[in-house]
Amino acid sequence: ILNVEQSPQSLHVQEGDSTNFTCSFPSSNFYALHWYRWETAKSPEALFVMTLNGDEKKKGRISATLNTKEGYSYLYIKGSQPEDSATYLCAFTSGTYKYIFGTGTRLKVLA
Amino acid sequence: DVKVTQSSRYLVKRTGEKVFLECVQDMDHENMFWYRQDPGLGLRLIYFSYDVKMKEKGDIPEGYSVSREKKERFSLILESASTNQTSMYLCASTVSGFTYEQYFGPGTRLTVT
Repeated sequence: ILNVEQSPQSLHVQEGDSTNFTCSFPSSNFYALHWYRWETAKSPEALFVMTLNGDEKKKGRISATLNTKEGYSYLYIKGSQPEDSATYLCAFTSGTYKYIFGTGTRLKVLA
Repeated sequence: DVKVTQSSRYLVKRTGEKVFLECVQDMDHENMFWYRQDPGLGLRLIYFSYDVKMKEKGDIPEGYSVSREKKERFSLILESASTNQTSMYLCASTVSGFTYEQYFGPGTRLTVT
């Protein structure tokens, strides 16, 4: 059974803090690793799709890295803002139709 | 602006009722998905469709069926709603191939009483 794990489950940080989360996934049959941001009362939105070992992606203050050999990805947020408060989901695809999602990291940024 | 819409944000149904959840995308995507989200669990795949009239069971298809008569529309049907189907239901779509991002609808929060 393919399993994707995310840690921590939830996180409270102060405005201006930098933070990071982890997504662990199977290292075999890797196709892609996806990160999504899901704000309350909105639809999940894609942040990054990463396909190559060593990939690094950046969007504003948010960046992600990928290690397919050991099966993990990190998401970093630099200088957290209240609008970064959301649940961050990762999903793994192995070449089938399935996107296997983790349970998410719930981030709360306190002003 | 790409869009995935779902027919209802909130729905309350009685046990035993037949329930239809509709999803429409305007991006001409081949693949469409139905997930449910429950506290402490990741998004779990109910059904997937890769073309009109084509469907594949996901991880938790029991108690559900789907219909895809047109490319833009994917319906989830609860044949006889039960209380354990109370959940948040999310529809998503993507182009063919699985290295592409999914586009999600806003979700339908279904309560079965």
